[in-house]
Amino acid sequence: GAGVSQSPRYKVAKRGQDVALRCDPISGHVSLFWYQQALGQGPEFLTYFQNEAQLDKSGLPSDRFFAERPEGSVSTLKIQRTQQEDSAVYLCASSPGGGGNQPQHFGDGTRLSIL
Amino acid sequence: SQQGEEDPQALSIQEGENATMNCSYKTSINNLQWYRQNSGRGLVHLILIRSNEREKHSGRLRVTLDTSKKSSSLLITASRAADTASYFCATAGDSNYQLIWGAGTKLIIKP
Repeated sequence: GAGVSQSPRYKVAKRGQDVALRCDPISGHVSLFWYQQALGQGPEFLTYFQNEAQLDKSGLPSDRFFAERPEGSVSTLKIQRTQQEDSAVYLCASSPGGGGNQPQHFGDGTRLSIL
Repeated sequence: SQQGEEDPQALSIQEGENATMNCSYKTSINNLQWYRQNSGRGLVHLILIRSNEREKHSGRLRVTLDTSKKSSSLLITASRAADTASYFCATAGDSNYQLIWGAGTKLIIKP
């Protein structure tokens, strides 16, 4: 597609529910990143994929967070047993090659609210 | 964790004036990038400046980098109402793919 697409744009869930957030990166982009952004703050790194390989998941806050990119294109971030502190905007970004030496292209994010 | 610190945290100026935002960081870098984020939207890449560059221009944007002071500045000349947004700097090191982000400067352009 023309840009990075994320769905849903807004998600409200009750504490304890599982949620799945989808990212459709720019076609052909090798690198895919997930970030968490709290209100008034910069993005915080969660995880990084190079094609289908998850090379870094050091930023995932707990084992309730899981991300996958099975065919090297679309990625899903899953949060199990959601907690109120999971409320944030989740941003996905992609870039053409590997490495942090290229601009990243961002989707508009999914705003997750846990009640 | 966030490496960059933007200064000021918020800036409000009249349309037509110039806006300057600063970014400081802590470790050595390969490049530094500036992004803009409109309310409720994703980030948009503005400029990438490499560690061996001192200044870069793109339209009304001018970025400087001083690696000895570990700082960068973003200048927006002849500001417009549409420039109202948050501006973030992000740094990339040599050996990894992560961008480390600052907390951003919220810029308001008053018409």
